[in-house]
Amino acid sequence: GESVGLHLPTLSVQEGDNSIINCAYSNSASDYFIWYKQESGKGPQFIIDIRSNMDKRQGQRVTVLLNKTVKHLSLQIAATQPGDSAVYFCAENTQGAQKLVFGQGTRLTINP
Amino acid sequence: DTEVTQTPKHLVMGMTNKKSLKCEQHMGHRAMYWYKQKAKKPPELMFVYSYEKLSINESVPSRFSPECPNSSLLNLHLHALQPEDSALYLCASSPFSTGGTGELFFGEGSRLTVL
Repeated sequence: GESVGLHLPTLSVQEGDNSIINCAYSNSASDYFIWYKQESGKGPQFIIDIRSNMDKRQGQRVTVLLNKTVKHLSLQIAATQPGDSAVYFCAENTQGAQKLVFGQGTRLTINP
Repeated sequence: DTEVTQTPKHLVMGMTNKKSLKCEQHMGHRAMYWYKQKAKKPPELMFVYSYEKLSINESVPSRFSPECPNSSLLNLHLHALQPEDSALYLCASSPFSTGGTGELFFGEGSRLTVL
C-alpha cells in the first residue's frame, strides 16, 4: 500500500551544526507534504509544509526540499539547538482527502 | 501552548470500565480528528469528523465510540478495552473540512493505560 517512510530512525548532531532529516514517500498523488515535530510528552507540532508543485520552501531556520523524481522529502534545520531535540515525522496529504499519513519518524538528538 | 485541549492527561482503566476522553478547540475549526499513537510509532488515524459528522472511520473496533456534540467538542467513549489499546490518544483539529494542506493542530494527548 501507499506509505511514507524515513531512511534513518535516529540522528545525532553537534549543537550548532545543520541537521538533515530524510523521508521517502510512495504516493505520487499526494498534494502536500508536511513536517511535524513531536517533543517528549507532547502532541505533534506543525513545522512546515510544501505543495507538490514546489521543490523548495524556507521557514525560520528550516528548509524543506521535495524531489518528486525520486519521491524524496527532506527537512534541513540550520544551526541546530538543544530545543530541536524531538522526533520528526514527515506526512503526506492528498487535497480533498482527510487522511494525513505519517512516516515512521526520526529521533533527533543534539550533542553539546 | 496548544489550542486543542485534551482531558484527562492520564487515564488508567480496567477492561470492564467505561470511560471517556474529551477534546475541545475554540479556533473555529470544522474538522476534528482522533489519532492513536503507540510508543515509538507514528500517529495512526482513527476517526475524522467534518462539520460535526463522522466522515472517516478507519475500521476502528466498536469498543471505541466517537462523538461530536458540537463544532468545538470531540469525545471518545471507551468500553471493554483490551491491554493492547494502551496508547497515547491524540485529538487534532483543522480549519479545512476536506483535508487542505494537512496542517493539523494537535492536543497534548491523553495517555491511556488499560489493565
